[in-house]
Amino acid sequence: EDQVTQSPEALRLQEGESSSLNCSYTVSGLRGLFWYRQDPGKGPEFLFTLYSAGEEKEKERLKATLTKKESFLHITAPKPEDSATYLCAVLAHSGGSNYKLTFGKGTLLTVNP
Amino acid sequence: KAGVTQTPRYLIKTRGQQVTLSCSPISGHRSVSWYQQTPGQGLQFLFEYFSETQRNKGNFPGRFSGRQFSNSRSEMNVSTLELGDSALYLCASSLLLVTGATDTQYFGPGTRLTVL
Repeated sequence: EDQVTQSPEALRLQEGESSSLNCSYTVSGLRGLFWYRQDPGKGPEFLFTLYSAGEEKEKERLKATLTKKESFLHITAPKPEDSATYLCAVLAHSGGSNYKLTFGKGTLLTVNP
Repeated sequence: KAGVTQTPRYLIKTRGQQVTLSCSPISGHRSVSWYQQTPGQGLQFLFEYFSETQRNKGNFPGRFSGRQFSNSRSEMNVSTLELGDSALYLCASSLLLVTGATDTQYFGPGTRLTVL
């Protein structure tokens, strides 16, 4: 069964203190890895898609990287508005011609001013 | 372009009742997926519809069902509600989510269901 594990479960940073979130996965037939941001009471907001090991994508203070077993979301000089839950999801083969998105439980990031 | 919309946003029901949730995907998107989100279990996949057919199903009891209409709008139904069904129900749409393609799923704001 596909597994996606995110760590840490919660992370508290000071404004400007850079760090990384981890997403490790065990799936067969990975087709893509997604990062989402979710604010309280809202639906997940799409951030990045990574397709193959070695790929990197950046958006403002966020940078996502992918290896064959894990992905990292690097946050450089975070601001309080970056506080949210960050979700990782993998799209993998689920039988026949179907694919399924499996989510990790997320990392709750809090950035203090 | 309008995003994914879900109605109602909030719902309070009692045990044993049934509920229907609605989802309108982004215009042009043909795949609609449903997820249940709870603090303990995170986001769990319920089912996915494409062209009015259920293509994929998660590990939920038969009380959870859905359908998709010809305009790609989708509904989800939960019968005989239990306290444990209290959750945020999220709908996501994508262009195709077909074999070999890596489509991004865009989420709606969710329906917060509370079962008393």
